This record gives sequence, C-alpha cells and structure tokens, in this order.
Amino acid sequence: AQKITQTQPGMFVQEKEAVTLDCTYDTSDQSYGLFWYKQPSSGEMIFLIYQGSYDEQNATEGRYSLNFQKARKSANLVISASQLGDSAMYFCAMREFLYGQNFVFGPGTRLSVLP
Amino acid sequence: DVKVTQSSRYLVKRTGEKVFLECVQDMDHENMFWYRQDPGLGLRLIYFSYDVKMKEKGDIPEGYSVSREKKERFSLILESASTNQTSMYLCASSLSQGAITYTFGSGTRLTVV
Repeated sequence: AQKITQTQPGMFVQEKEAVTLDCTYDTSDQSYGLFWYKQPSSGEMIFLIYQGSYDEQNATEGRYSLNFQKARKSANLVISASQLGDSAMYFCAMREFLYGQNFVFGPGTRLSVLP
Repeated sequence: DVKVTQSSRYLVKRTGEKVFLECVQDMDHENMFWYRQDPGLGLRLIYFSYDVKMKEKGDIPEGYSVSREKKERFSLILESASTNQTSMYLCASSLSQGAITYTFGSGTRLTVV
C-alpha cells in the first residue's frame, strides 16, 4: 500500500536561507509520481513541483528543487533563499500510475520563515 | 487558469443536520474529488468522480455521499452530520485520469456542534 511519511511537523528557517523538508514514501509500483503542494493560510493547495519515478534528473522549479533518491525512497523538497511568503503547510504526495491511482498525501510540515 | 470554487469558506451545522458542500470547476475537467484534511493526517480521499453521474468511494467514504449531476459541479453530502465530521473539506479537479496534477479549491471549514 502507498504511504507517505513526513517526520517534521514544524520547521523554522531564517529568511534568505535554504531549507529542506523531508519526505519518504512506500510503494511497490515501478511507475509513480511524487509531488509537493503548498497550503498557505488561505487554504488553497498550490502545486509546487513534480518528479516522475523514471526521471533521472532531479526536478527544479524556480527556488524549489526535489532531491529524489529512489533507492532510499525519499523525495525531499529544497527551498532556496526562503522568503516570508514561504510560511505555509507543505504536503508531500504520491500517485501510482499503473492503475491510475489517486493521490496519497503525507501529514504535512508547517514551515515558518523568520525575518 | 482553472478555478475550483467551493461555495462556503466556513460552515457551522448542528449534529444530525443534512449538510451540502458544493464545488464548481470552470474548465471542463472530467475528474473531481473530495478530500478531508485533519491535523497530522494530511488529506484523505472521501469520494471521487470520473464522469457525470459516476462516483467511486475513496479511503474514508463512511458517513458521506456525493452527487454529480453536471460535469462542473460535485457535491458532498453529510446525511446526518456528526461532531467527528468537523474538519476542513477540500475539493479538487483534474482534466483527465492521465493528468499529472490536480487543481484545488480553497476549502470549506465545517464545524459540527
């Protein structure tokens, strides 16, 4: 069965510094995707970045990068040069593609960026 | 941009009431989803729909039902609200089954007293 683990309930980072949010996953499927979503206080889930299981390069989107280590089944999110607007909940999620499975989400990490 | 609109941001209902949560998307997406979000548990799938009048149970369907009479609208129904259904409810949509990601609404925070 699919499972996502985020072991950091809360994180603090100083503005302009980089931060890594941890995510490990469990799946028996070979074809899957890993996602990170941001949820600010407004409540909307905002898609940040995607990594396919067959992608050899780590995904990057602006200040966001995904550190994908397939053998360790980890998909950590790295935010470079943190900004105050990065303060939010961050969710790691996975979809198995073989049977068109839906998302499974982790419990989330609350990031607070300090001025 | 695709917009997913949830009709209420906050709702307070009494135990035993029938509750309707409405969700509308404006980009002709085939798939729609209802999740509930609870602290420490992340998002859990309640129901989803791949087409009009079609519905599939997610991971936690007990106590809920859904209705999809039109492609753009997906309603979540609590037949008899209970206090353990106090939660944040998020609606999402995706273009098709092969779509990489979902678009989410802003959520409805439901309190059952």
